[in-house]
Amino acid sequence: AQTVTQSQPEMSVQEAETVTLSCTYDTSESDYYLFWYKQPPSRQMILVIRQEAYKQQNATENRFSVNFQKAAKSFSLKISDSQLGDAAMYFCAFQTQGGSEKLVFGKGTKLTVNP
Amino acid sequence: NAGVTQTPKFQVLKTGQSMTLQCAQDMNHNSMYWYRQDPGMGLRLIYYSASEGTTDKGEVPNGYNVSRLNKREFSLRLESAAPSQTSVYFCASSEEAGGYNEQFFGPGTRLTVL
Repeated sequence: AQTVTQSQPEMSVQEAETVTLSCTYDTSESDYYLFWYKQPPSRQMILVIRQEAYKQQNATENRFSVNFQKAAKSFSLKISDSQLGDAAMYFCAFQTQGGSEKLVFGKGTKLTVNP
Repeated sequence: NAGVTQTPKFQVLKTGQSMTLQCAQDMNHNSMYWYRQDPGMGLRLIYYSASEGTTDKGEVPNGYNVSRLNKREFSLRLESAAPSQTSVYFCASSEEAGGYNEQFFGPGTRLTVL
């Protein structure tokens, strides 16, 4: 069974600074997908970024980028130029390719952005 | 498009009472899911339905039943609520897009069992 670990229950960053959230996972699969979801106080789950395991290039979406290290089973999220609206819970999630489309989530990291 | 909708948004039950959480999606997705989120935990899968007429257990199915009423609707039923089922419940739907399934989530239902 796959597991996802987020070792930082809470993180804080100053507005306009850069922060990195950590995620490690365990799987015996070779093909899979990794995601970062944002959950603001409204509770809505919002997809931030996606990474395909077969791609060596790290995914980027505007101010959000990932550092995907397949051999180390590591998938960190970097937020550049942090904004007050980035304050939220961030969840790392794993999905196998094909077959079941279930997501396995980590426990989350609460990000605070200080003005 | 409304996306994924859930009713109710909040509910308080007494131990032993039953209730059904409703979920509907208007994106014509085949797959639908029910998750629960407890404090300090990520979302955990309760049940999922890969297509109309099929359902499968997830990680934490005990105490729940589901019905895939049609392609749009997927309900979650608590037959005899227990305080351990106090949680926030999320419904999601997905469709394969280039090899992966992007899941779209509803706004959640906060359930308290006294």
